[in-house]
Parts: sequence; structure tokens; C-alpha cells
Amino acid sequence: QVQLVESGGGVVQPGRSLRLSCTPSGFTFSSFALHWVRQAPGKGLEWVAVISYDGTKNYYADSVKGRFTISRDNSNNTLHLQMNSLRIEDTAVYYCARDPSSGWAGRVILAFWGQGTPVTVSS
Amino acid sequence: FMLTQPHSVSESPGKTVTISCTRSSGSITRNYVQWCQQRPGSSPTTIIYEDRQRPSGVPDRFSGSIDSSSNSASLTISGLKTEDEADYYCQSYDNGRGVFGGGTKLTVL
Repeated sequence: QVQLVESGGGVVQPGRSLRLSCTPSGFTFSSFALHWVRQAPGKGLEWVAVISYDGTKNYYADSVKGRFTISRDNSNNTLHLQMNSLRIEDTAVYYCARDPSSGWAGRVILAFWGQGTPVTVSS
Repeated sequence: FMLTQPHSVSESPGKTVTISCTRSSGSITRNYVQWCQQRPGSSPTTIIYEDRQRPSGVPDRFSGSIDSSSNSASLTISGLKTEDEADYYCQSYDNGRGVFGGGTKLTVL
């Protein structure tokens, strides 16, 4: 079955960087768009970024644009989120999620979720 | 645009509850609406996608609908069970970017 496993979370100081990874299984990685979604402690869900199945298209939430970069390595079946210039308000659990359909249609439809990796930005 | 949900709803086991999700601008029919469930301490799971489709394994007690007249989407849960107690989020998108509602806490008492 479809599984998504995030890793790379941890505690980091404001202004520093962190790189998250998501390793999937149970489907053809290179066929599906992938997303990052985050949830601050005690708060709701916030969509962060999406990358197309072939890595040629990506979109970001205004709150992270210019600081975060989503990328993928289809030869190694891995999704990444490079987070630079981290702020206190970036503290959250970060989930990767997958579209239900293959290809690219510019949609944000999240059918499968990982278990999340926590990121704490604190001095 | 924003998606507005009630902060909380409560209902008794066996009853039916409906959670609304109102789009602030632009037609609710412009882009698909999804619903996800998040139990305490767990990651979210999608229970409705593309307005009314249920992923494999989601019981038909869960249904989604769209109402153009009120520019809103709804999640209806029938035959409530205590295990349905959770946070529910609606979600849609525009111009390639996702938008979540603020979430609704469902209490089954």
C-alpha cells in the first residue's frame, strides 16, 4: 500500500537551515505530484508547497516563498524540503502528501499522508 | 480566498451531523473540495476528495456535497460512532496553491 515516511526534523535556531526528506513506497514515485503540509502546535493544517511529478513545476505558500525549496530526486525516489532562514513561526509537524491521480493538473488534492516529522525553531 | 468552518459541533452516537465549509470568494465549484479527518495524536487522513469521492476503506457513512447557492461544501457523517470524534478540515485550491479551512472539532457524546 501507499506509504510516505518523513525524516529530517529536529530543533534548529532561528535563521538556520534544515532539510526534510520524504521516502515513499507502494507506488511509482515519478508519476505523482507531491506536497508538503504543516501543522503548528495546537493549530490547524497549512499547505506549504507542491512539486509536479517530473519536478518542472512548483508552487509555494506565501508564508514560505523565497525561503523554502521543494525538490525531488526521481532516480532515488525521494522528496525534499529545504528550509532556509527559519523563523519561530515555522515550528510545526511537517507532512508529505500525495495526489490521488498521476500526472499534473495543477491541483492540490491530498489523498495519502505520511506520519509527519517535527521541526522546532527555537533559540 | 478563505474556507470557513464552524469551530466545533457535537452530536450523539447514532445521529447524523453535517459540517459546513464556506468559500469566501470565487465559486465553490471552481476547484474540488477535500475533507480530512485528524484524530488526536495522529496524522490526517483524507475521507473525501474531489467533492464527494471516498478513498478505499472509508465507510459510506461519510459523504461530501457541494451547494452552489451558499457557495459551500458539506461533510455529512451518519450513524455517528465515538471513534468519529476528531478534527475535520476542508481543503481546496486555486492557482496551484492549497487552502485549508480552520478545522471543526467534532465531539460525539
